[in-house]
Amino acid sequence: GESVGLHLPTLSVQEGDNSIINCAYSNSASDYFIWYKQESGKGPQFIIDIRSNMDKRQGQRVTVLLNKTVKHLSLQIAATQPGDSAVYFCAERAPGSARQLTFGSGTQLTVLP
Amino acid sequence: DAGVIQSPRHEVTEMGQEVTLRCKPISGHDYLFWYRQTMMRGLELLIYFNNNVPIDDSGMPEDRFSAKMPNASFSNLKIQPSEPRDSAVYFCASSHIRAGGVNEQFFGPGTRLTVL
Repeated sequence: GESVGLHLPTLSVQEGDNSIINCAYSNSASDYFIWYKQESGKGPQFIIDIRSNMDKRQGQRVTVLLNKTVKHLSLQIAATQPGDSAVYFCAERAPGSARQLTFGSGTQLTVLP
Repeated sequence: DAGVIQSPRHEVTEMGQEVTLRCKPISGHDYLFWYRQTMMRGLELLIYFNNNVPIDDSGMPEDRFSAKMPNASFSNLKIQPSEPRDSAVYFCASSHIRAGGVNEQFFGPGTRLTVL
């Protein structure tokens, strides 16, 4: 079946630097994407979402970019903080899948002091 | 709102025993999802409900797994008999339709299941 995958399983950045987490998706028909953050011992937490009719969406310190041509999604975190250390998942929803999300394998982000 | 509530947070049991995991979704949410998370396979959707009705259970691994949602405020996931390979973190999530048809899912804290 269709799946979502991540390019980098681990990412280490210095505190204060910007982070970029990438995600490749395989279903070109997917119409909705979400980034989740999962801290150790906790459930995934919503960060930001984007619909397929957009190519960029900004939140507080986070930006999601969608490139439908190459089926690529990225999450940019500005001025990365120690509290940003977590596993980040992208998820996609295919049309007609009635609220089902397919999750990627996750990227571990470590913020170095 | 307290968010999605799951219990127990940790469960250790012996192979062959019945395990029951519980979930209380966020009030007003009409979708409920059960996920399993392991290092090997990541986050997998097991089953989801809409208005208490199971919509898709194709992710349920075997007949040993069953899930019910008797009312809008409660769901349980049962494994009988349990096996060591069922060891994982089980998450419950709920959602509702927002403007534009988007469906952010709110996750509970998870139940860490260990089957010895």
